Amino acid sequence: GQNIDQPTEMTATEGAIVQINCTYQTSGFNGLFWYQQHAGEAPTFLSYNVLDGLEEKGRFSSFLSRSKGYSYLLLKELQMKDSASYLCAVREGSSNTGKLIFGQGTTLQVKP
Amino acid sequence: DSGVTQTPKHLITATGQRVTLRCSPRSGDLSVYWYQQSLDQGLQFLIQYYNGEERAKGNILERFSAQQFPDLHSELNLSSLELGDSALYFCASSPSSGGYNEQFFGPGTRLTVL
Repeated sequence: GQNIDQPTEMTATEGAIVQINCTYQTSGFNGLFWYQQHAGEAPTFLSYNVLDGLEEKGRFSSFLSRSKGYSYLLLKELQMKDSASYLCAVREGSSNTGKLIFGQGTTLQVKP
Repeated sequence: DSGVTQTPKHLITATGQRVTLRCSPRSGDLSVYWYQQSLDQGLQFLIQYYNGEERAKGNILERFSAQQFPDLHSELNLSSLELGDSALYFCASSPSSGGYNEQFFGPGTRLTVL
């Protein structure tokens, strides 16, 4: 079966660091994506991991451990505009398909 | 702006009706994906087309169908609509199908079934 788990909600303070965890159990694995989605808007791409380790991209970093079925998204120097939903998604199936299985998303609220 | 366009933005219809949602991918993108997002289900993959051919299928209902045309735009047809079909429907596109494959999402069509 397919199961992607993320915390439902998190709260953090402006300027702080927050880590959003994602665990997955899927029938196949061809990469893990993180997307940001503001309420009522389209998801926008943040990061992609296919090998174990840390990928850094400005204030955002994402980590993957394939053996543990685990990823996290790290957001540094939080800004009010970072208040949004963060979606973890696994690309499963054969390597020539783009089917993404999404978690329910983590709603992050950044407070002043 | 991702470069993916979807029409209409909002659609209100009645149970039992049929609607068509339209998506134009980013210039040069060959893959089109359809997703459904409802409050209780999150973002659910429906179907993927690559260069006119179906490439992957999710838990798409039999009442739903899609196609990708030679100019690469895609349409999602929803028939015999039920209240539970009310949701945001997103289209996404990507240059190819495999490998590193960032998907760019359109603004979505909000469907309300009354």
